[in-house]
Parts: sequence; structure tokens; C-alpha cells
Amino acid sequence: DGGITQSPKYLFRKEGQNVTLSCEQNLNHDAMYWYRQDPGQGLRLIYYSQIVNDFQKGDIAEGYSVSREKKESFPLTVTSAQKNPTAFYLCASSISSGANQPQHFGDGTRLSIL
Amino acid sequence: AQSVSQHNHHVILSEAASLELGCNYSYGGTVNLFWYVQYPGQHLQLLLKYFSGDPLVKGIKGFEAEFIKSKFSFNLRKPSVQWSDTAEYFCATKEGSQGNLIFGKGTKLSVKP
Repeated sequence: DGGITQSPKYLFRKEGQNVTLSCEQNLNHDAMYWYRQDPGQGLRLIYYSQIVNDFQKGDIAEGYSVSREKKESFPLTVTSAQKNPTAFYLCASSISSGANQPQHFGDGTRLSIL
Repeated sequence: AQSVSQHNHHVILSEAASLELGCNYSYGGTVNLFWYVQYPGQHLQLLLKYFSGDPLVKGIKGFEAEFIKSKFSFNLRKPSVQWSDTAEYFCATKEGSQGNLIFGKGTKLSVKP
């Protein structure tokens, strides 16, 4: 079955540590996105990539980094500069960044601080 | 920048009650509106979408939404809810050039059996 796989499902970070969240899709989608979900705040865009080897900052990119070396993979690194990383992280993809293309979402990764 | 407002943070209904969840959006030129649902422990799923044409859009699981241009609204409705509709519902619009979704803060729906 085609879809988006996020791993791990749960992740714990120590102070000063960088952690990387994995997102893989086998839908052959060009566009991929990372959102952060906090209770009562909806989803906010961290980074997005419209095509391989290209990515752009979203609304809350500070303290995060990404890469898009392969079409199917869009890992997100939460760096030590992100002072409030505890949240639910969702990866999404769409065929293209076109306005009428819906996004498909992964199951998410819940990140907590130790 | 475009924005989406959802009026209700938490809605509690009994089974068979009718549902209407409010959503207002700021107009950014082209209209691209979505409703997503997140069932407990599951990923976000697309319920329905509207780009143009008939302003009454039918989605999955008996949901529908009505686009009212004059009110900048895209409210979600269901005539008779079930316990299995308990979930969080997100209204969203698309940022034109970037293609990312701009979400409302979500409405939690709790349906009492």
C-alpha cells in the first residue's frame, strides 16, 4: 500500500541533543511538508519542499533543519536551538504544490523532553 | 497572509444530533478549502475539499460543507452524528504559491453514545 511512514512513533530528547525524525513516502509525490501540532493551536508549517534538492522555511522554522536528497525522503532535525520541542510532528506529501492537490499525512511522531 | 478561524474549540453532542462546525477564512484570491479529520490515534484524513463549482460539497462518511462566498465561510455539517465521529476536525486553506496548508486551530467533537 502506498503511504507516508514516519518514525519513530515516540522520541525523547535530552537537553542539548539534536534528534532526527524520519519521513518516507512511496506515493511518488513531489511536494513534502513538516507540520508541528500543539494542543489548541492546530498545525503550523515548519519546512516544505516542492521538489527534490530544494526546500523552504515555513512559519516556525527556527531551531529545525531539513534535507531533501531523495524524492521519497524528507527528514526533519530538531536541533538544540529549538527551546520548546515537545509537540506532535506530522509529515505530509502531495503530488505537487498545486493549489488543488490535497495533502496526505503520516501517523506522526510525538517528541518529548527528558 | 491567509488565515482560517474555527469558532468552536470543543463541541459535545449526543448521538443522532445534527452537527455544524464553523470555519471562516481570509480571502487570498483563489479559493482552496479543505476539511480534515483526525480520529484518536490516527493520522489526518481528508473529509472533503472545495475549489470551484457547486458550493455544497459532499465528502466521505456523510459529511458535507457549504461554501458561502459572501460570508467567507466553509462550515462542516452532518445531519446525524454517531459515536464514531468523535475526533478533531480541522478546516484548512492552501497558501497559493507554497502549496502548504494553513490550518484552523481545530474543533474537538465528542459524541456521547
